[in-house]
Amino acid sequence: AQSVTQPDIHITVSEGASLELRCNYSYGATPYLFWYVQSPGQGLQLLLKYFSGDTLVQGIKGFEAEFKRSQSSFNLRKPSVHWSDAAEYFCAVAPFGNEKLTFGTGTRLTIIP
Amino acid sequence: GAVVSQHPSWVICKSGTSVKIECRSLDFQATTMFWYRQFPKQSLMLMATSNEGSKATYEQGVEKDKFLINHASLTLSTLTVTSAHPEDSSFYICRQSSNTEAFFGQGTRLTVV
Repeated sequence: AQSVTQPDIHITVSEGASLELRCNYSYGATPYLFWYVQSPGQGLQLLLKYFSGDTLVQGIKGFEAEFKRSQSSFNLRKPSVHWSDAAEYFCAVAPFGNEKLTFGTGTRLTIIP
Repeated sequence: GAVVSQHPSWVICKSGTSVKIECRSLDFQATTMFWYRQFPKQSLMLMATSNEGSKATYEQGVEKDKFLINHASLTLSTLTVTSAHPEDSSFYICRQSSNTEAFFGQGTRLTVV
């Protein structure tokens, strides 16, 4: 069965600083990989996804993620965070397409002035 | 793009009563709808998968008699929490998928008192 690990429960970053959120997965083959963002009390918004091809994926809101097969990782990055980026971020995997997503435990991002 | 409308966004009910949550596809015919539950500060856990016109498939540990799922049409799936108890208080969220995209409802915050 697939699993997802987000090692960082909570990260605090200064506004304008760079950000990297870690995600490691466990799966027998290359899964489909996703990053979602959730604002308090809200649903989830897709930031980006990786199915195949270029391992560096560009998403919305200036986010990008890099798939590294050798490390079973799919870390999310942003060069300069904004206060509006404060939210909960979830990494997710699926064996095929969008079926049966398995979510990580999430990383809460706090932005300080 | 496709939009999923979930109602209500929040509900407070008395212990022992039932609550129905609706997820409606506004411009996309959803053959499959996924229902998740998210406890405070935790990740989303898949409860069940509903398919239009057939019985839902429940994940291990989820009581199908307590969480009734109906997917009678391609645009509407409902989750009914029967005989709710305080431990059922949670954030419930639906998700529909196409081959290339997944759309989440806005979520329902259920509080059982």
